[in-house]
Amino acid sequence: KAGVTQTPRYLIKTRGQQVTLSCSPISGHRSVSWYQQTPGQGLQFLFEYFSETQRNKGNFPGRFSGRQFSNSRSEMNVSTLELGDSALYLCASSVGLAGGLTEQFFGPGTRLTVL
Amino acid sequence: GESVGLHLPTLSVQEGDNSIINCAYSNSASDYFIWYKQESGKGPQFIIDIRSNMDKRQGQRVTVLLNKTVKHLSLQIAATQPGDSAVYFCAEIGAGGTSYGKLTFGQGTILTVHP
Repeated sequence: KAGVTQTPRYLIKTRGQQVTLSCSPISGHRSVSWYQQTPGQGLQFLFEYFSETQRNKGNFPGRFSGRQFSNSRSEMNVSTLELGDSALYLCASSVGLAGGLTEQFFGPGTRLTVL
Repeated sequence: GESVGLHLPTLSVQEGDNSIINCAYSNSASDYFIWYKQESGKGPQFIIDIRSNMDKRQGQRVTVLLNKTVKHLSLQIAATQPGDSAVYFCAEIGAGGTSYGKLTFGQGTILTVHP
């Protein structure tokens, strides 16, 4: 069974630009969560989607948004990029049963650098 | 607010020794705890999990202990190998309120295994 895939793996943008990252979950998984990982803040939850609906949201500004498609693939978008947005963005998928208390499988991440 | 933190940011051991990585959590309502291993350039990889109705769970060479009285979690790795060198994160999934179904990560412990 293929794991979680994320594209692109590396991305360089400049301040003020916007970026879209993609995540394909494990087949059969309906929940996709996004996390931001930085040396200073560690791993922080961005949001979770289940069946095309945002089910949970972290404490990030509205510049960070996401969506999920009917095939469970998900995208996240960051608009008006800031230097502090440079991070590893991780996607995780899970079966997504009621309660969300199931194992999450992570992709390799997208390394975003904002210049 | 809820938080999960680690006592020791770094741990160095000799190959063959047993390793113990500790984690404190603050949300007594958390229902599910997970240990992840993250190697350089990769996303977090599931190691072992434990639910709040358990005190101990064993896997292959790993044991997780949960002490709900003092809100403490530990990961024990037996016969540590150089391949175990990585950053280890504990994470909790909230059981209610705004934390429901959301993974909250600790800051991580760097484990270095010397041959």
